[in-house]
Amino acid sequence: AQSVTQLGSHVSVSEGALVLLRCNYSSSVPPYLFWYVQYPNQGLQLLLKYTTGATLVKGINGFEAEFKKSETSFHLTKPSAHMSDAAEYFCAVSDYGGATNKLIFGTGTLLAVQP
Amino acid sequence: EPEVTQTPSHQVTQMGQEVILRCVPISNHLYFYWYRQILGQKVEFLVSFYNNEISEKSEIFDDQFSVERPDGSNFTLKIRSTKLEDSAMYFCASKFAREETQYFGPGTRLLVL
Repeated sequence: AQSVTQLGSHVSVSEGALVLLRCNYSSSVPPYLFWYVQYPNQGLQLLLKYTTGATLVKGINGFEAEFKKSETSFHLTKPSAHMSDAAEYFCAVSDYGGATNKLIFGTGTLLAVQP
Repeated sequence: EPEVTQTPSHQVTQMGQEVILRCVPISNHLYFYWYRQILGQKVEFLVSFYNNEISEKSEIFDDQFSVERPDGSNFTLKIRSTKLEDSAMYFCASKFAREETQYFGPGTRLLVL
C-alpha cells in the first residue's frame, strides 16, 4: 500500500528565501505523486504532479519538485518565497491498489512567510 | 476553465439530523470522489464512484453514508444521522480517466452540534 510522509508540520521562511517542503513516499509500484496547496478557507489546488518522464517537474507559482526514486522523495521547492505563498501544502500519492487511484495524502505542511 | 463546485459552502446541523452535500463535477469527468478533512488533520479518502456505482470506500464510509449521482451533473453525499465527529470539511473531486489528475471543489464545511 502507498503512503506519504511530510516532515515538518510547520515551516517558516523569510520573504525572498528558499522554500523547501519535504515529502517522502512509500510505494511498491512506480508512483504518481502530487503537490496540492490549500489557501485559508479554500479548497485544494493542484500545484504540480509527477507521473512519468522528466523527474524535475515545474508547477504553478514558481514551484517545482524533483522525483528521486533512490531517496523515495518528492520535495517541493521555490527559489524565492513570496508572502502570497503562505498556505498549507499537501503531498499525495495515487493509490494503485484501489479501483480508482484514490489519493493518499500526507499530513500537510503549513508554510508561513515572514516579511 | 471548468471547475468542480460544491454547495453549500457551510452547513450547521444538529446531531442526529440528515445532511446532503452536493457537488457538480466537471462535465466530462467519469470518476468522482469524496474526501474529508477534520480540522487540523490530513485529507482522508471516503469513497469513489464510477459507472454509477461505488468503486471503493474507506472504513470511515459506514452505513450512515451514501452517495448518489441522481442526474447527469450532480454527485451527492448523504449522512443519515450526523454525529459530532462528522464535523469536517468535505471535498468533492472528479477526474476524466483513471490515470488523470483529480480536481477538487472548494469544500463544504459541516458543523454538527
